Amino acid sequence: QSVLTQPPSVSGAPGQRVTISCTGSNSNIGAGYDVHWYQQLPGTAPKLLIFGNRNRPSGVPDRFSGSKSGTSASLAITGLQAEDEADYYCQSYDSSLGRYVFGTGTRVTVL
Amino acid sequence: EVQLVESGGGLVQPGGSLRISCAASGFTFSGSWMHWVRQAPGKGLVWVSRINSDGSITAYADSVKGRFTISRDNAKSTLYLQMNSLRAEDSAVYYCAKDRGTGDGFDYWGLGTLVTVSS
Repeated sequence: QSVLTQPPSVSGAPGQRVTISCTGSNSNIGAGYDVHWYQQLPGTAPKLLIFGNRNRPSGVPDRFSGSKSGTSASLAITGLQAEDEADYYCQSYDSSLGRYVFGTGTRVTVL
Repeated sequence: EVQLVESGGGLVQPGGSLRISCAASGFTFSGSWMHWVRQAPGKGLVWVSRINSDGSITAYADSVKGRFTISRDNAKSTLYLQMNSLRAEDSAVYYCAKDRGTGDGFDYWGLGTLVTVSS
């Protein structure tokens, strides 16, 4: 039902770089609406990780970075750490649906 | 320090009603858009509803339109969600979330309150 598609899971060894894609359409990401990213650690509430496509809130390590191009966006985590094991969600607005939309979510596993 | 504390969740029968609340502190509540987002057990995040700063403009997901009502009391710095005609598929943890601006991402979240709809 989600209009933003993410890979179900990605994994990497400590220190490696992983990327999470968020694929939308011309009524959301492609229409120019900003993409935001959230990290949800096991058993906790989501936390804003990236806002406005590429901006980090105060306190978020610069290992996390966001980008957007066309109808897609990406979240990159460099120097992967054990504490990065979590679920990650992208979020935007969809003009056709007239509502905010979340991605399907990606589970990041540190090997 | 920004705090959002939800309350009022619980077990309710199908077709029943429940009102959940979110007490806010640490920021100018009356100047902030607010949202409700839910997450069914083991599932992803789903946006439910939004209210603007003075409560005059609201928006809802199609799945809850006509059954749920979002409201706020700026004097009490509290956000509400009145849920009527509840269905099993409404069972979820309900989070309140503060908007960064006017639809600019959700910068603070509460811990959530669990709503279970079951007979």
